[in-house]
Amino acid sequence: EAGVAQSPRYKIIEKRQSVAFWCNPISGHATLYWYQQILGQGPKLLIQFQNNGVVDDSQLPKDRFSAERLKGVDSTLKIQPAKLEDSAVYLCASSSPPQQETQYFGPGTRLLVL
Amino acid sequence: AQSVSQHNHHVILSEAASLELGCNYSYGGTVNLFWYVQYPGQHLQLLLKYFSGDPLVKGIKGFEAEFIKSKFSFNLRKPSVQWSDTAEYFCAVNAGQEGRRALTFGSGTRLQVQP
Repeated sequence: EAGVAQSPRYKIIEKRQSVAFWCNPISGHATLYWYQQILGQGPKLLIQFQNNGVVDDSQLPKDRFSAERLKGVDSTLKIQPAKLEDSAVYLCASSSPPQQETQYFGPGTRLLVL
Repeated sequence: AQSVSQHNHHVILSEAASLELGCNYSYGGTVNLFWYVQYPGQHLQLLLKYFSGDPLVKGIKGFEAEFIKSKFSFNLRKPSVQWSDTAEYFCAVNAGQEGRRALTFGSGTRLQVQP
């Protein structure tokens, strides 16, 4: 089966610009996660969707980050305006019953904010 | 909230050496435990997982991990490493209420295997 797809793979922007990332989960996976991985750290959850509803966005900096999953399939994560500290890899993951606890990760989008 | 500690940030081994990477978590309830691996230039892949049952779990590529509940540990082991095991290894845990089971990751251990 096809894995989790993400685009773009790399993005360089200047601070205060906006940027959007796209994720297409594994077919049939109802749960979708966005993680932020800063260099030298482990991934940190930003938001979790169950179908098109938000389950957990407690760690999403809502003043600048937004995410949606309108049709319960693919998802977009947006940053507006970007800050230098947003430089990171943004990972998308998905999961589905019966192995709900096992998450499958995409290749990530590496963002550099100058 | 749960947290995960990986005390070894960078490990260098020669081929055929034995490997043990430490992972400790803090959470008082039932947890699911995972080890993920990220090979250079590739995405995170599941190495092994523990949900319940036998605390010694075996994963892909000869890796195994032992869940010791009393020590809140889930250390990763491999008896003989290969150059191809060079990668970054992440321990992760999920816990909490059903349906809100996002992973909490450790900071990772970079393993370098020298030929």
